[in-house]
Amino acid sequence: GAVVSQHPSRVICKSGTSVKIECRSLDFQATTMFWYRQFPKQSLMLMATSNEGSKATYEQGVEKDKFLINHASLTLSTLTVTSAHPEDSSFYICRLEDSYNEQFFGPGTRLTVL
Amino acid sequence: GQNIDQPTEMTATEGAIVQINCTYQTSGFNGLFWYQQHAGEAPTFLSYNVLDGLEEKGRFSSFLSRSKGYSYLLLKELQMKDSASYLCAVRTSGNTPLVFGKGTRLSVIA
Repeated sequence: GAVVSQHPSRVICKSGTSVKIECRSLDFQATTMFWYRQFPKQSLMLMATSNEGSKATYEQGVEKDKFLINHASLTLSTLTVTSAHPEDSSFYICRLEDSYNEQFFGPGTRLTVL
Repeated sequence: GQNIDQPTEMTATEGAIVQINCTYQTSGFNGLFWYQQHAGEAPTFLSYNVLDGLEEKGRFSSFLSRSKGYSYLLLKELQMKDSASYLCAVRTSGNTPLVFGKGTRLSVIA
C-alpha cells in the first residue's frame, strides 16, 4: 500500500491566492522530506529539502518566501505556495527516504493557477 | 556541476527487450536509482545500484559501472503498460538530494 500521501491531489486557484500542499508519511518516520516541481515533459526539479524541526534548505533560484515549507513532525511536511501566479502552475511532488535507501514519492499535487 | 544524460525518447515493440542508458558526471557518487513515471503520476521506484554489476528484479534489470559513470535499465518482455518515462537519478554523497536526469520517454508499440 501507499506509504506517502499528498493532499490535495489537484487544486485550481485564482492568481494571488495561497495554496497549501500536505505530504504525509504513513508507514515510517521521515526526518527528511524533499519537495520537487515538474513542468510538463520536464524532469523533476528539486525545490527544497525539508528537515523535521528545522528550517528547510532551498535550492538556488527557489524563493523561500514564496514557497514556505513547514516540517513540524516526523510524518508531515507542508508546502505553501504564496501569492500564486500562473507560472507556478505545475506538478508538485514530495519524496521521502527510509533507512534502507528506498525512495517513496507522494502521488503528487497538480496545481493550476488561473 | 552535476550532469546526467539519458536519451530523450525510445520506441520498442511489445514482447521485445529494450535497454535505456544513463551516463553521469557528478562531484561524487553514492548510489544510482531508476524510476518509472507514467504521465500525470508521481515516479515509482524501480531499482537502486551502488556497487558495480547487475541487479535483477523480475522483468527489469539495472546495471552499474562506476568507473565508466554508466548505468542501464533493461526491460524484458515489454508490455504496453511499460510505456512511460524512465528517470535515472544519482545521489552524490550521504543523504544529499538526488540529481535527476531529464528522463527517457519509452513508447511500446504493438
